Amino acid sequence: DSGVTQTPKHLITATGQRVTLRCSPRSGDLSVYWYQQSLDQGLQFLIQYYNGEERAKGNILERFSAQQFPDLHSELNLSSLELGDSALYFCASSTENNEQFFGPGTRLTVL
Amino acid sequence: AQKITQTQPGMFVQEKEAVTLDCTYDTSDQSYGLFWYKQPSSGEMIFLIYQGSYDEQNATEGRYSLNFQKARKSANLVISASQLGDSAMYFCAMRVNQAGTALIFGKGTTLSVSS
Repeated sequence: DSGVTQTPKHLITATGQRVTLRCSPRSGDLSVYWYQQSLDQGLQFLIQYYNGEERAKGNILERFSAQQFPDLHSELNLSSLELGDSALYFCASSTENNEQFFGPGTRLTVL
Repeated sequence: AQKITQTQPGMFVQEKEAVTLDCTYDTSDQSYGLFWYKQPSSGEMIFLIYQGSYDEQNATEGRYSLNFQKARKSANLVISASQLGDSAMYFCAMRVNQAGTALIFGKGTTLSVSS
């Protein structure tokens, strides 16, 4: 158990819908990262938050957004979902410049 | 551009044998970190080992060691005495200390350990 929690574990929805994925980092970790893992794109970095502020952006679509709340949990919002958004979404947390610990992931299926 | 290359899509090894998983990286930065993660079929990502670019000694964690050759830009993972539970996908990743500290991942190597 990495100490990072993610909910829900599985999510099945239809095209055009909007979903929210939730992540609670390890106690004491200020950085939260979101990654997407798909068969064709592999593991891709989406976005990083540090202590409530956006720190870096990767290959995140404009239809996707995220935020980190004062209690340091984070949410990833995916809207206008397409079939190609089906993937495993990971949240990871770390202290600055240290190893990242990953949550169990949310498997999103868009039908 | 930063890049991680894992050229072995699949590796096969017998129990108790050692195995080396290859990883090469490309970056023009002087300060960076290299990581290996294991992803079993259940899907979770498990941190294995870390090597900093300024670390002179190769990192070791139990049966895992990282063979860091800076001039060749390689960071191979060595697993000694393989176990059946080592069967999984293994990812090499790099953190470049620019704005943000996100990881860039390779495509992974599937390791199969047989008895």
